[in-house]
Amino acid sequence: DVKVTQSSRYLVKRTGEKVFLECVQDMDHENMFWYRQDPGLGLRLIYFSYDVKMKEKGDIPEGYSVSREKKERFSLILESASTNQTSMYLCASSLAGASYEQYFGPGTRLTVT
Amino acid sequence: GEDVEQSLFLSVREGDSSVINCTYTDSSSTYLYWYKQEPGAGLQLLTYIFSNMDMKQDQRLTVLLNKKDKHLSLRIADTQTGDSAIYFCAETPGGGYQKVTFGTGTKLQVIP
Repeated sequence: DVKVTQSSRYLVKRTGEKVFLECVQDMDHENMFWYRQDPGLGLRLIYFSYDVKMKEKGDIPEGYSVSREKKERFSLILESASTNQTSMYLCASSLAGASYEQYFGPGTRLTVT
Repeated sequence: GEDVEQSLFLSVREGDSSVINCTYTDSSSTYLYWYKQEPGAGLQLLTYIFSNMDMKQDQRLTVLLNKKDKHLSLRIADTQTGDSAIYFCAETPGGGYQKVTFGTGTKLQVIP
């Protein structure tokens, strides 16, 4: 059974803190993605990675960075959290060339106070 | 850039058919999909259609694609309370680019 796990379901951080969101997949997928989900805005792509140490900016990369040191793990980093980064963060993975079939983790609801 | 639009909310009675609509702007879309998000969960791929198809049926689900109008719809026959969820339309542009553009999501409420 395919699985994408995220390190936390709920997270509360203070403004200015550095925040790490971790995502792990066990399907040997090449592609991994980070989205944020906000009511009325749907899913917006922050970053994606198509291989280890490779990354591409999505639609809203500002204020975020990513790291992919191992194929199974893709980390999202908020260098200095701000209140407008309060959101649901979803990680996904897919096989190379099959981005139409993405497998999603359960999400991390991040609140920045 | 690409844009995918959906209405935000749909309410139907149990046993009726639901039709969720989506419009997109990218005429070079290769794949168009429907994802389902149940409460407290991530998204799950429901079905997809290639851009050279007009219709795809999978049990209670029927996907219709009108390429001329750039309109995609998902019909759920005999809607059940377990179908209550947010449904996202999504598309992948042509050219082998990996990025998927998601719509805003339609929240389907099924009334018993």
